[in-house]
Amino acid sequence: AQKITQTQPGMFVQEKEAVTLDCTYDTSDPSYGLFWYKQPSSGEMIFLIYQGSYDQQNATEGRYSLNFQKARKSANLVISASQLGDSAMYFCAMREWSTGTASKLTFGTGTRLQVTL
Amino acid sequence: GAVVSQHPSRVICKSGTSVKIECRSLDFQATTMFWYRQFPKQSLMLMATSNEGSKATYEQGVEKDKFLINHASLTLSTLTVTSAHPEDSSFYICSARDFLLAGGPYFFGPGTRLTVL
Repeated sequence: AQKITQTQPGMFVQEKEAVTLDCTYDTSDPSYGLFWYKQPSSGEMIFLIYQGSYDQQNATEGRYSLNFQKARKSANLVISASQLGDSAMYFCAMREWSTGTASKLTFGTGTRLQVTL
Repeated sequence: GAVVSQHPSRVICKSGTSVKIECRSLDFQATTMFWYRQFPKQSLMLMATSNEGSKATYEQGVEKDKFLINHASLTLSTLTVTSAHPEDSSFYICSARDFLLAGGPYFFGPGTRLTVL
């Protein structure tokens, strides 16, 4: 079974609008972390936001917020006031703590976001 | 934020030659680094986990004799693609985490684009 599922291969959003990128995950580990990364065409992976499984509040970082619904195992990324520079691939990833301190990230298939004028 | 460098950023080589890619954590120590491969329009696939001072842990299906990993210090890991073939052409990205920061994000290098002729 897929550990991280991103069902939207591509999304369009108009400049200045908000957009939600979906991410669902599957784990039996009670302790885990969820990450979102942005990958522009240059290829670099840019860390956006992190949510721990025990965090009581949804994470926020500037225009990025994470809509964490633990019971539904979803961790959707919300980008507010979209900008043209937000056009990129977005990856959701998970780390499961039971795999130890060297725990690896498992990535979803990504969502390509295009911001239009 | 923490910086991870990768060198070279691009390499073109002939089939049968070996290519070494370096990954450095510039302002933090990383006992563990991760090597990913990304084919066009696909997600990042973990190849191996590089452990400082010990053998790397390879993911299923990754040939350890073909992809040699050395993690000689807390700030440097190298990936050597031995006897490269055109099917090894890909984008290789390393990742590291500051082990002193529990729950901290994983930082990625800018990637190395390998083209094997």
